[in-house]
Amino acid sequence: GENVEQHPSTLSVQEGDSAVIKCTYSDSASNYFPWYKQELGKRPQLIIDIRSNVGEKKDQRIAVTLNKTAKHFSLHITETQPEDSAVYFCAASFTSGTYKYIFGTGTRLKVLA
Amino acid sequence: KAGVTQTPRYLIKTRGQQVTLSCSPISGHRSVSWYQQTPGQGLQFLFEYFSETQRNKGNFPGRFSGRQFSNSRSEMNVSTLELGDSALYLCASSTVAGGNEQYFGPGTRLTVT
Repeated sequence: GENVEQHPSTLSVQEGDSAVIKCTYSDSASNYFPWYKQELGKRPQLIIDIRSNVGEKKDQRIAVTLNKTAKHFSLHITETQPEDSAVYFCAASFTSGTYKYIFGTGTRLKVLA
Repeated sequence: KAGVTQTPRYLIKTRGQQVTLSCSPISGHRSVSWYQQTPGQGLQFLFEYFSETQRNKGNFPGRFSGRQFSNSRSEMNVSTLELGDSALYLCASSTVAGGNEQYFGPGTRLTVT
């Protein structure tokens, strides 16, 4: 069935270092891959997304890469700051007639000052 | 534009009772999805509505149901509540069904005692 695996579940980095979170999806029909950031007690916020016809997308310190052949995509955060500390979720949109998102289990990122 | 709103924000119910949660999407958004978020299971897809039609349903028992009105507002109902239904229930809206940016509401925190 449809599945999204996300690793690692927790990640601690020093301020200024880079952080990488990886996700693997099962359905080759997936064509949209968003990343959400959820701070404690708040709603998930869309921070970046990528579509299947693109291999990489950047937005300031955040980038996402997609490897369709291997069915995995990654979130890269450079020059991490304490305010980057949150739980990050990846998701894959399965649009082969079903129109739903499957989320990864989340990565708790801690940026140590 | 106003964001996605959900009411109520907090709810305490007793086992066996039923509950109705409400979600108002961003103006112009016709798709509303519902998710259950728990610490152990992450974000689990419940169902998605588009133009008053349920387009897809996740793997939840029939006690979980929903509907969407002509103004795109959506309600979710849970009957015969169980302790395990305690969770944060999030709705998200987008302009089209699947494959497009979803924006989350603040959630309804349901506690079943």
